[in-house]
Amino acid sequence: GDKVKQSPSALSLQEGTNSALRCNFSIAATTVQWFLQNPRGSLINLFYLVPGTKENGRLKSAFDSKESYSTLHIRDAQLEDSGTYFCAAEARGSALGRLHFGAGTQLIVIP
Amino acid sequence: DAGVTQTPRHEVAEKGQTIILKCEPVSGHNDLFWYRQTKIQGLELLSYFRSKSLMEDGGAFKDRFKAEMLNSSFSTLKIQPTEPKDSAVYLCASSLSWGGAGTGQLYFGEGSKLTVL
Repeated sequence: GDKVKQSPSALSLQEGTNSALRCNFSIAATTVQWFLQNPRGSLINLFYLVPGTKENGRLKSAFDSKESYSTLHIRDAQLEDSGTYFCAAEARGSALGRLHFGAGTQLIVIP
Repeated sequence: DAGVTQTPRHEVAEKGQTIILKCEPVSGHNDLFWYRQTKIQGLELLSYFRSKSLMEDGGAFKDRFKAEMLNSSFSTLKIQPTEPKDSAVYLCASSLSWGGAGTGQLYFGEGSKLTVL
């Protein structure tokens, strides 16, 4: 089965509203990264997390290694937040450099 | 600082040709990754270098795919011979590993879109 499950798979948000994306892990995740792939195709790193939380502007992310999940909260969604969000985790016991990617959440922000 | 630079951005090849994709990582980064991205398979790891040493050679991709890191600031991915199923976006990423078992924050290039006819 999937080692990293992202939910939801797709989401439409009204501009100015808030939402949360989630990744559940069936592996012993040690670090998590969140990426946004914009409509041009560029993958932008949003966060690199060890267990704990980080905040950057309207984005906030948390990683709980004991409960095996990570979340990405988007506050006051803007049109430029549209794209596909991926989480990726390193895991204890996995080969060096191996990141396990989720299938992505496709987000559309509508005016 | 320059990010990860990939060339070419687009490549069209005939079946059976050899193509070479190029990547310049972020200056000072010691981990370099090659990924392939398709809608069906998502992101697949092709190769991984740490400090220019090949650590992961991509398993199923070994026979026609070869990545090299000639120096710390340049890597190539050769596909020989190309097949239509190789049509995908090829992404290079780099990071600064913090030693031990982990890699650091990944920075991706803009990708090379390959179409094989």
